[in-house]
This record gives sequence, structure tokens and C-alpha cells, in this order.
Amino acid sequence: QQQVKQSPQSLIVQKGGISIINCAYENTAFDYFPWYQQFPGKGPALLIAIRPDVSEKKEGRFTISFNKSAKQFSLHIMDSQPGDSATYFCAVPHTGTASKLTFGTGTRLQVTL
Amino acid sequence: NAGVTQTPKFQVLKTGQSMTLQCAQDMNHEYMSWYRQDPGMGLRLIHYSVGAGITDQGEVPNGYNVSRSTTEDFPLRLLSAAPSQTSVYFCASTLGGQRMSEQFFGPGTRLTVL
Repeated sequence: QQQVKQSPQSLIVQKGGISIINCAYENTAFDYFPWYQQFPGKGPALLIAIRPDVSEKKEGRFTISFNKSAKQFSLHIMDSQPGDSATYFCAVPHTGTASKLTFGTGTRLQVTL
Repeated sequence: NAGVTQTPKFQVLKTGQSMTLQCAQDMNHEYMSWYRQDPGMGLRLIHYSVGAGITDQGEVPNGYNVSRSTTEDFPLRLLSAAPSQTSVYFCASTLGGQRMSEQFFGPGTRLTVL
């Protein structure tokens, strides 16, 4: 059973600040690590994903950093905005099959004015 | 292109009742999954399917049944509802292959079991 540890559970950041969310996993045989964003009352939506043949991927204000040896990856949100207030989930493919994802427990981000 | 649709949006059941949560996708995705979301526990996989006629169990399958007779539809059946099944249920689909982790989620069904 894949274990995925996500931290922190909740985060409050001022507008313009940097939000950092971390994810650690045990094992995976597959190489594709996504972050999902979920707004209240909605389903999660893919935000950004990384293949671990690179250590960093940037899309706009969102960056994933990946440390394969430590089995950790993190999401950085630069210049955080109130519209970024949402719950964020990391996900890791199962070792047995990539068609199964194990999600972290989520981080509730609140960006204040 | 409607994406992933789920019905109903809300449902209240009494203990012991049965019901089916509907899920459909129009993206011709082979892979479909059902998750439940509970506070502080993230999304947990109930059942998944890698194609029509093929289903398998996830982390928390007890009390739920699924079938996949077509590529488009993947209903989730609660056999005898229990209060522990009070949750928000999400259906998701994905193209598979190198896009495996890119799952498209429906809007969810909020289920309360009294």
C-alpha cells in the first residue's frame, strides 16, 4: 500500500508571498507526479505535473521541485493571490499499476489580502 | 464536450437503502475511477476500470460494487448504505499511457446516510 505524506495540513499566506507544500512517498515504479487543485464544491483539477528526469518544472507562478533520491516533491506558488485559495493534493502512482493514484491528504491554502 | 458528469449532485439515504451513483464521460477515456473524499483523508480510491468489462478494487472497496459495460459509463452501487459511507464521491477518467496521472474529475456527489 503506497503511503503519501503531505504537509502542511493548512497554510495561510499573505498576497504576494510564496506558498510551499511538500509531499513525500515510499515507492513508485512510475515516473509522473501531479499536483491537483480543488476549489470548494468542485472536483479536483490537474494543476501541474513533473516527470522525475527533471528536478524542476515551472508553469507560470507554479513550480514543482523534485528530489528523486529523497522521494519528495514540492509545489511552490510564487506571488500568491487570493484566487489561489484552494485545497491542493499531491498524487503518486501505485507501484503495481500507474492506473491507480494515491493522493495526499491535502493542504488547505488561504491567501489573505 | 461535457467531460465527466455525475448524478445526482446530492443524495440522502437511510441506513440499509441501496442506490447507484451515475458517472459518464465523453472523452473516450479507457480508464475510469471512483474516489471518496472525507475531511482530513484526501481522496481514497474505491474501484477503478481499465476498460469496458474490466474492473478492479481500490483501497476502500467494501460496500460498493461497480460495472463497466461501455467505455462511457461507470456506475457505483451502494448495496446497503451505512452512515460510514457519508462522503463526497468523485468519478474520474484518464486517457492512460503517458497521460495516466492526468485525471479528469466530475463535480462530485454529496451523499449523506442517516
